Amino acid sequence: DGGITQSPKYLFRKEGQNVTLSCEQNLNHDAMYWYRQDPGQGLRLIYYSQIVNDFQKGDIAEGYSVSREKKESFPLTVTSAQKNPTAFYLCASSTRWTAPNEQFFGPGTRLTVL
Amino acid sequence: AQTVTQSQPEMSVQEAETVTLSCTYDTSENNYYLFWYKQPPSRQMILVIRQEAYKQQNATENRFSVNFQKAAKSFSLKISDSQLGDTAMYFCAFMKARRGNEKLTFGTGTRLTIIP
Repeated sequence: DGGITQSPKYLFRKEGQNVTLSCEQNLNHDAMYWYRQDPGQGLRLIYYSQIVNDFQKGDIAEGYSVSREKKESFPLTVTSAQKNPTAFYLCASSTRWTAPNEQFFGPGTRLTVL
Repeated sequence: AQTVTQSQPEMSVQEAETVTLSCTYDTSENNYYLFWYKQPPSRQMILVIRQEAYKQQNATENRFSVNFQKAAKSFSLKISDSQLGDTAMYFCAFMKARRGNEKLTFGTGTRLTIIP
């Protein structure tokens, strides 16, 4: 089955620790995205990548980092510099070559800072 | 910058009735795409319907249809014959129609409850 997987589903972190969220897709999509969802605020873009080895900051990139070494993978690291990391994180991907570029979403990771 | 506004935080309707969710947006772009996404309690985001701004005809997908008013920058979603499975958060989203700028801007969502 083609799709997007995110792991783990639930993640707990102590304050001061970095943590990495996994996102893998087998849809052969070029573009990948990370969103953060908080109650009452919809989804906000953290980082996005349109091709391998390239990525851009979104609207709320501070305290986060990403890498894109493979087309299939786009891991997100939540660093200790992120002041309020408890949230639901969604990964998405899309093709760049047909319009509109519908984004397909993974099941999400719930991060809780203890 | 683009903004998307959903002015109804919560709505509820009886099963089998019709409900309309509102969405307005602000942009200086002439070409763009609009989307409605559904997020059920499982939290999986699912595309419901999309509209290309250059198309005057309103998009329809089975029981879901939109009322796209480009001049008014309005993009409402109508759900006909509502079903219990329609209970979810619904997000309106905007995307510029430019290669290399395929970012989605979301509204804050409307929580829809279908009452049996």
